Amino acid sequence: NAGVMQNPRHLVRRRGQEARLRCSPMKGHSHVYWYRQLPEEGLKFMVYLQKENIIDESGMPKERFSAEFPKEGPSILRIQQVVRGDSAAYFCASSPPAEETQYFGPGTRLLVL
Amino acid sequence: SQKIEQNSEALNIQEGKTATLTCNYTNYSPAYLQWYRQDPGRGPVFLLLIRENEKEKRKERLKVTFDTTLKQSLFHITASQPADSATYLCALAGSSNTGKLIFGQGTTLQVKP
Repeated sequence: NAGVMQNPRHLVRRRGQEARLRCSPMKGHSHVYWYRQLPEEGLKFMVYLQKENIIDESGMPKERFSAEFPKEGPSILRIQQVVRGDSAAYFCASSPPAEETQYFGPGTRLLVL
Repeated sequence: SQKIEQNSEALNIQEGKTATLTCNYTNYSPAYLQWYRQDPGRGPVFLLLIRENEKEKRKERLKVTFDTTLKQSLFHITASQPADSATYLCALAGSSNTGKLIFGQGTTLQVKP
């Protein structure tokens, strides 16, 4: 059973461009979470999704950020019009229904120039 | 506001000794608490989960305690090895179905041979 997969592993964008981060959960996992880790800071919750539904987006900035987890395909975290402050490591985690343990992917390191 | 604190200073110990890491929290009543390990450039890896009605949990050389009165969890690694060197993260959750984890900043452990 492959672990959580994220791609790309590294992403460089110029200010104003769009960043698309992909997350494929583990097989059988229908819950996906996104976290952001800024340099020298802890992991911060962004959003929790189940298939085709956003369950909790309380950690998501109101503007420029969106997330989806379609019926088919990976979960996507989309950042429009990136700014330098968006530079961070973005981690995706997944879990099966009714299990609290979250299994993390290797992360996508976004650098905004 | 809700706050979770771990020792920001790195913990340096000699191989074979017991490492003890602390996690304190305020303004929060978590249903459970988890400990994760994170190596540089990688995603967190789940280690142990302890629920609010449990005092202690063990797994091989790892032991976690949870004191809801003191609002504190202690994480112990006995017979530590250089391979245990990593950053250890404490994470709290609300009720079982929120999915949202609140992470501490982590404590870096260095085990010297």
